[in-house]
Amino acid sequence: RKEVEQDPGPFNVPEGATVAFNCTYSNSASQSFFWYRQDCRKEPKLLMSVYSSGNEDGRFTAQLNRASQYISLLIRDSKLSDSATYLCVVNTAGSYQLTFGKGTKLSVIP
Amino acid sequence: EAQVTQNPRYLITVTGKKLTVTCSQNMNHEYMSWYRQDPGLGLRQIYYSMNVEVTDKGDVPEGYKVSRKEKRNFPLILESPSPNQTSLYFCASSFRDSPTGELFFGEGSRLTVL
Repeated sequence: RKEVEQDPGPFNVPEGATVAFNCTYSNSASQSFFWYRQDCRKEPKLLMSVYSSGNEDGRFTAQLNRASQYISLLIRDSKLSDSATYLCVVNTAGSYQLTFGKGTKLSVIP
Repeated sequence: EAQVTQNPRYLITVTGKKLTVTCSQNMNHEYMSWYRQDPGLGLRQIYYSMNVEVTDKGDVPEGYKVSRKEKRNFPLILESPSPNQTSLYFCASSFRDSPTGELFFGEGSRLTVL
């Protein structure tokens, strides 16, 4: 089983739609979780951290389910500018290494 | 401006011709790392460094070398490049004990080996 798995997409959604991505991780010792955003041919940038209690940043909501070992990202009221690849990132306890998922591509269409 | 700077941004070279991709950060970060990104394979770590003179292999170190003689610089060396090293390379840095887990990436170096 791969360490961090994501549905590659693409997800093609109309403007204003709500879209959700899931990501599963295999190491139960993982402790820190993040979503990064990567625009086409650009570098990845941190979108948000994922906290145990769930957290929200504007139109973006991240949730963690430790029992099932998955994290999710919900985007409400999608904008054209949300079109990007979203990378799930996991850090394992005792290691400083971040493990990246392969990313889920989102295209928001007018 | 806080940033990670990579050079060159684009390079076309031939098999066997040694090349170095430089990476420099101005944020006083202890941790630096190199990744390559290939279609369908995502970001894979090549080498990382927790501090000056401390380097370790990542997931795909074969064919690469690194050095960390200064805190701000972490060059990636391809002694004898081969076509399978054609890829998009990213350098990244962060504080070693970063609570946010935020890695700061350079803009990437697109390398083509003919």
